[in-house]
Amino acid sequence: ILNVEQSPQSLHVQEGDSTNFTCSFPSSNFYALHWYRWETAKSPEALFVMTLNGDEKKKGRISATLNTKEGYSYLYIKGSQPEDSATYLCAPGFNQGGKLIFGQGTELSVKP
Amino acid sequence: DTEVTQTPKHLVMGMTNKKSLKCEQHMGHRAMYWYKQKAKKPPELMFVYSYEKLSINESVPSRFSPECPNSSLLNLHLHALQPEDSALYLCASSRSTPSYEQYFGPGTRLTVT
Repeated sequence: ILNVEQSPQSLHVQEGDSTNFTCSFPSSNFYALHWYRWETAKSPEALFVMTLNGDEKKKGRISATLNTKEGYSYLYIKGSQPEDSATYLCAPGFNQGGKLIFGQGTELSVKP
Repeated sequence: DTEVTQTPKHLVMGMTNKKSLKCEQHMGHRAMYWYKQKAKKPPELMFVYSYEKLSINESVPSRFSPECPNSSLLNLHLHALQPEDSALYLCASSRSTPSYEQYFGPGTRLTVT
């Protein structure tokens, strides 16, 4: 059974704070790492897909890094806004098979 | 059009009923997925179709029967479900597997009585 861990489980920050979350996963047979953002009553929305060790991706105030050798990824949000409130899910894929294993998610709440 | 649509939004069915969930995308994606999501848990993969062929079945009970009639459409046929099958069923699609982001539909909230 492949274990994907995300920490913290939940996070409450003030508007303007910067924050980061961790996703750890087994490094063997790794193929790709996906990050999704899931707001309540909406569909999960893709943020990033990363495949190479050392990859860094950025979209506005959100960025992510990937370390495939040690099996972890960080997601950073700079200057959090209330609209960033959502659950952030990471999902590594293995063996090129198309199956993603989703972590339990980090629930972010940003207070104005 | 970057939308994945799912119908119905909500479904209540008895344990002896037969019903179907429908998913549609017009992005030219060649991989389509069914996920099951229970409250406070992450989505769990059920099936993957790649180029209209079933490529992954995560040991899903036969009371769930997927079908991919064409590259834009994915169905999930339901028969003789159990109350524990009540969940949110999410459909997703991607250009191919597994390096491309998946686009998710809004889901069908299924209640089995």
